[in-house]
Amino acid sequence: GAGVSQSPSNKVTEKGKDVELRCDPISGHTALYWYRQRLGQGLEFLIYFQGNSAPDKSGLPSDRFSAERTGESVSTLTIQRTQQEDSAVYLCASSLGYREAEAFFGQGTRLTVV
Amino acid sequence: DAKTTQPTSMDCAEGRAANLPCNHSTISGNEYVYWYRQIHSQGPQYIIHGLKNNETNEMASLIITEDRKSSTLILPHATLRDTAVYYCIVRVSGSARQLTFGSGTQLTVLP
Repeated sequence: GAGVSQSPSNKVTEKGKDVELRCDPISGHTALYWYRQRLGQGLEFLIYFQGNSAPDKSGLPSDRFSAERTGESVSTLTIQRTQQEDSAVYLCASSLGYREAEAFFGQGTRLTVV
Repeated sequence: DAKTTQPTSMDCAEGRAANLPCNHSTISGNEYVYWYRQIHSQGPQYIIHGLKNNETNEMASLIITEDRKSSTLILPHATLRDTAVYYCIVRVSGSARQLTFGSGTQLTVLP
């Protein structure tokens, strides 16, 4: 596709359930980022993938959060045993490896934990 | 990454130029100034970046002071669709570090 695609666009889940969020980056973009944005707040970095290098997981808030990326394509963010404080918009972005700060963002997945 | 300081909010009349300031007094010589914006309910959007020379593209102009301690993003003819939160980010281009967004400036374009 032309842009970064995220699915689902909205997800409502019960507390304690696991959820999986998907990101399809722009083809050819080696860098991929996941961010979280709570209502009315700024972006919070979660994890960063760059090519085949080990991911930077320094932003993951707890061991309930994990993410994978297959090569330079699709990434999935998994949240286990969801809590109400996990409710937020989860944003994915991708960029060319040598122009990392010129990142293109998806529309996000709005996660609501009830 | 160098810390940036931006006003919390600004208003601008439709059709007029919007000038958004950013202070980055601790910027290093190899750090670029990037601007993003986030329109309500959408993902952030890259606008422009520069090192020390002024830059212009189809969206905006970026003016960086000679000492590089501050910069101004200029939207020459603001429209209602430019209402958004504007983020100024300072970082080394091409580094393997993540983007970090501060609180930004809420620009409201008034009809």
